[in-house]
Amino acid sequence: DAGVTQSPTHLIKTRGQHVTLRCSPISGHKSVSWYQQVLGQGPQFIFQYYEKEERGRGNFPDRFSARQFPNYSSELNVNALLLGDSALYLCASRRDSRRDGYTFGSGTRLTVV
Amino acid sequence: QKEVEQNSGPLSVPEGAIASLNCTYSDRGSQSFFWYRQYSGKSPELIMFIYSNGDKEDGRFTAQLNKASQYVSLLIRDSQPSDSATYLCAVDNDYKLSFGAGTTVTVRA
Repeated sequence: DAGVTQSPTHLIKTRGQHVTLRCSPISGHKSVSWYQQVLGQGPQFIFQYYEKEERGRGNFPDRFSARQFPNYSSELNVNALLLGDSALYLCASRRDSRRDGYTFGSGTRLTVV
Repeated sequence: QKEVEQNSGPLSVPEGAIASLNCTYSDRGSQSFFWYRQYSGKSPELIMFIYSNGDKEDGRFTAQLNKASQYVSLLIRDSQPSDSATYLCAVDNDYKLSFGAGTTVTVRA
């Protein structure tokens, strides 16, 4: 089985621009979450989607938005990029139960210059 | 107070020794607890999960959970150089995982 796939792997953007990150979950996984990880810190929760509905949102500004498609893939959009948005963006999926661990993709390294 | 706190590192252990990692959490209602391993420049990889008080063993790894004390730990026995990584404690709070900052472990030959 393919794991969680994310694209692109690396991205360089200029301040003020917009970015779209994409994620395909493991087949059969209905829940997709997005996390931001800056160097030296643990991942910080941004969004969770389950069956195309937003289940939770972390403490991030409205510049961050996401959606989940009927095939359970997901997009994370960030508008008006700031230097501080430079980070590793991780997508994670899990099957159903809270007792299922999340599987992370390899991430998208975003650099804002 | 942070939701999840881990013992500060880095932790350096000789090859073959036991590495002990600790984690405390603030939400008494938390039910599921995970340990992830993250190599430098890579994404987190799930290595252990625990839901019930007590110990859970998987190969060289043992996770321990004490809900009354809101404490989770991970023991790595017979540490190998390949265990050198950052270990992240994560607590499942309904729709999200809350992570600690991680403890970096270095196993020296």
